[in-house]
Amino acid sequence: GAVVSQHPSWVICKSGTSVKIECRSLDFQATTMFWYRQFPKQSLMLMATSNEGSKATYEQGVEKDKFLINHASLTLSTLTVTSAHPEDSSFYICSAMGVRGDTQYFGPGTRLTVL
Amino acid sequence: AQSVTQPDIHITVSEGASLELRCNYSYGATPYLFWYVQSPGQGLQLLLKYFSGDTLVQGIKGFEAEFKRSQSSFNLRKPSVHWSDAAEYFCAVGNNAGNMLTFGGGTRLMVKP
Repeated sequence: GAVVSQHPSWVICKSGTSVKIECRSLDFQATTMFWYRQFPKQSLMLMATSNEGSKATYEQGVEKDKFLINHASLTLSTLTVTSAHPEDSSFYICSAMGVRGDTQYFGPGTRLTVL
Repeated sequence: AQSVTQPDIHITVSEGASLELRCNYSYGATPYLFWYVQSPGQGLQLLLKYFSGDTLVQGIKGFEAEFKRSQSSFNLRKPSVHWSDAAEYFCAVGNNAGNMLTFGGGTRLMVKP
């Protein structure tokens, strides 16, 4: 149980384009999902908290207009990187809060490369 | 503010040897503590967690961790390491609402044959 998927697992795009990453909780409903960014050989940095049916809460320093988050259902949250630039290249990981509301379960991550 | 320190960036152990990964936390109340493992290019898998009760917690893959409040530590242990355990290990502390998870810097484990 508590399986989280992400799609795509990797994506390469040209500078200036937008990329959408999906995060799904496969066997449970998640009212809260989280988006993290991980640079090579570093720890995870929380970007935003996504609650179903409401606006996401962004961490300080994260541009909400660049990283659009939508949590339209209890099993799906999406992160759209708008007008991507090479500095946006990173590993993006989502997590979903388990049904007991005390543990985050992580997706496999999406590697984004912006050329 | 909550914080987590993993003092060892890299650890190398021989296959079959015992393992201990250190984790120290700072949190004002009773912490929710987690250990996650990340294989290269993968997401994080939950190994074990501690919320309350018995301070020695058993997890998956033969791992265990012990919560020591007096030392603000939550060290991860395994009696005999397998080559497949080579990965990055993250300790994390969360609040009781589960919506604020702070990660340590991670410890990269390498296993020698």
